[in-house]
Amino acid sequence: DAGVIQSPRHEVTEMGQEVTLRCKPISGHNSLFWYRQTMMRGLELLIYFNNNVPIDDSGMPEDRFSAKMPNASFSTLKIQPSEPRDSAVYFCASSPEGGARAEAFFGQGTRLTVV
Amino acid sequence: SQQGEEDPQALSIQEGENATMNCSYKTSINNLQWYRQNSGRGLVHLILIRSNEREKHSGRLRVTLDTSKKSSSLLITASRAADTASYFCATSDTGRRALTFGSGTRLQVQP
Repeated sequence: DAGVIQSPRHEVTEMGQEVTLRCKPISGHNSLFWYRQTMMRGLELLIYFNNNVPIDDSGMPEDRFSAKMPNASFSTLKIQPSEPRDSAVYFCASSPEGGARAEAFFGQGTRLTVV
Repeated sequence: SQQGEEDPQALSIQEGENATMNCSYKTSINNLQWYRQNSGRGLVHLILIRSNEREKHSGRLRVTLDTSKKSSSLLITASRAADTASYFCATSDTGRRALTFGSGTRLQVQP
């Protein structure tokens, strides 16, 4: 298996534009997580899906952020409109068991810069 | 908010020495996990210790867990330059069902 695949690896966009980050989890994993990493706030959980259903979205900063998981092999995180403070590295992770009962496998991340 | 806090924030040692990192957390947990992150890369899982376990080993790694003190330690023995990375503890608490990460320890191993 190729592991968790995220795209794009790098994204530079102008303030106000829509940004879509993509994630393909490891086949057979039923949990998917989106995290954001910044120097100031560290690693923050944005949203957690189990069996394609959002379980915990309390970390989503505001209505500008939305996440979907239309099927077991694909998820998106969308920011509309983007702002400079959204600049961060966004990680997707998947796990073979529900929640945090087992290890999480992380993608390489998407480095987002909003100018 | 962050559940775990690592100590120290940064650690610099010579190759061959042991490195010890500590993690404190606030709530009851199901398990505690340690991850490693090389610069510019994703996190890689190192070891998971359940709340009813006190010590676990994996190669040169030794993890302890003290639930009464709400703390854990990660020991890397005979460190190598390739161990240079940031190390994070993450907890699975009984209330929230996803991992919550600490702020990390940056380890520098000098060759």
